[in-house]
Amino acid sequence: DADVTQTPRNRITKTGKRIMLECSQTKGHDRMYWYRQDPGLGLRLIYYSFDVKDINKGEISDGYSVSRQAQAKFSLSLESAIPNQTALYFCATSDSGQGTKSNEQFFGPGTRLTVL
Amino acid sequence: GQQLNQSPQSMFIQEGEDVSMNCTSSSIFNTWLWYKQEPGEGPVLLIALYKAGELTSNGRLTAQFGITRKDSFLNISASIPSDVGIYFCAGAFNTNAGKSTFGDGTTLTVKP
Repeated sequence: DADVTQTPRNRITKTGKRIMLECSQTKGHDRMYWYRQDPGLGLRLIYYSFDVKDINKGEISDGYSVSRQAQAKFSLSLESAIPNQTALYFCATSDSGQGTKSNEQFFGPGTRLTVL
Repeated sequence: GQQLNQSPQSMFIQEGEDVSMNCTSSSIFNTWLWYKQEPGEGPVLLIALYKAGELTSNGRLTAQFGITRKDSFLNISASIPSDVGIYFCAGAFNTNAGKSTFGDGTTLTVKP
């Protein structure tokens, strides 16, 4: 079974709709991240959380919100989706207890979101 | 903020050829990481580097942490079709920062 899972894997929605993307992990990691991938632009950090009570904005947080419901769950919401939020979204985890290896991240399979 | 320049943006090579790609930064990093993303999947860590000058191999892959701490390169020897994918470099300033800056990726195509 996958250690980091994302649901849904694909979603098509309309402008103005509220969308939630979910991420769950069984790795026991305390840190979780949401990234957005656009062609040719690499991975850009939206939000990250270092534990259940910690939420931090990344470089492109506008138009997004997150919720860390439990150590294993981190969801990303688009309150009112717009077409330029069409992208591939990845969740990732890392373990702060790994010392120098704490920056090593483990990614989910991604959610392809299309906003019409 | 910190920015990474990854090059080349794409490569089209023949099976059996060697590949080299690199990342440069305007700032010093204390950790360099190389990931590979295959179609329809999330990135997977290939190699992690923690010391300036460090040279680390993983099978046919070799990566180096530049002496200036502002660059890193990844070499793939004797490429095969399954090497196809997008390769990302990432750098982290603190060894326990938990946050990395990613390059824009190098898309590798291998022709049989």
